Amino acid sequence: DAGVIQSPRHEVTEMGQEVTLRCKPISGHNSLFWYRQTMMRGLELLIYFNNNVPIDDSGMPEDRFSAKMPNASFSTLKIQPSEPRDSAVYFCASRPQGAVGNTIYFGEGSWLTVV
Amino acid sequence: AQRVTQPEKLLSVFKGAPVELKCNYSYSGSPELFWYVQYSRQRLQLLLRHISRESIKGFTADLNKGETSFHLKKPFAQEEDSAMYYCALSGQAAGNKLTFGGGTRVLVKP
Repeated sequence: DAGVIQSPRHEVTEMGQEVTLRCKPISGHNSLFWYRQTMMRGLELLIYFNNNVPIDDSGMPEDRFSAKMPNASFSTLKIQPSEPRDSAVYFCASRPQGAVGNTIYFGEGSWLTVV
Repeated sequence: AQRVTQPEKLLSVFKGAPVELKCNYSYSGSPELFWYVQYSRQRLQLLLRHISRESIKGFTADLNKGETSFHLKKPFAQEEDSAMYYCALSGQAAGNKLTFGGGTRVLVKP
């Protein structure tokens, strides 16, 4: 398995532009997570899905952020309009269903710079 | 609410010295605890989890429910251990979402 696949790996965009980050979870995993990593705040959970349904989006910073999971193999995180403070690494992760101790598997991250 | 605290942002040790990374948690239920490691500019990788009671790369961690701690230890640090380490907690009471601590950067000096 190729693991969790994220795109783009790097993006530089101007303030005010729309940014769309994409994620393909590991096949068969039923939970998907979006995290944001910054020097100041560390790793923050933005939103997670179980069986394509958003379960907890309390970490989404504000209405400029939205996430969708139209099917089991694809999710997007959108920022519109983007601001310089959104500059961060955005990680997608997936997890198989069920038992205690199941780990989550991370993608390589999307490095976003908003100028 | 579940919370994970890693009190040290940076640990600097010499090669061959012991290293201990502290992790404390709060959780109203039976927790699942993990340590993840992130080498420079790479993805987070699972290092170990408490239910496995395993030793990976010489690291061990013991869950102490009385002290609500899950400290990570290695008796002899190596230069390749330099990385960012995150303690994480999950559990059914919180919908199985994984909450991370703030991370501890470990620097092993030659």
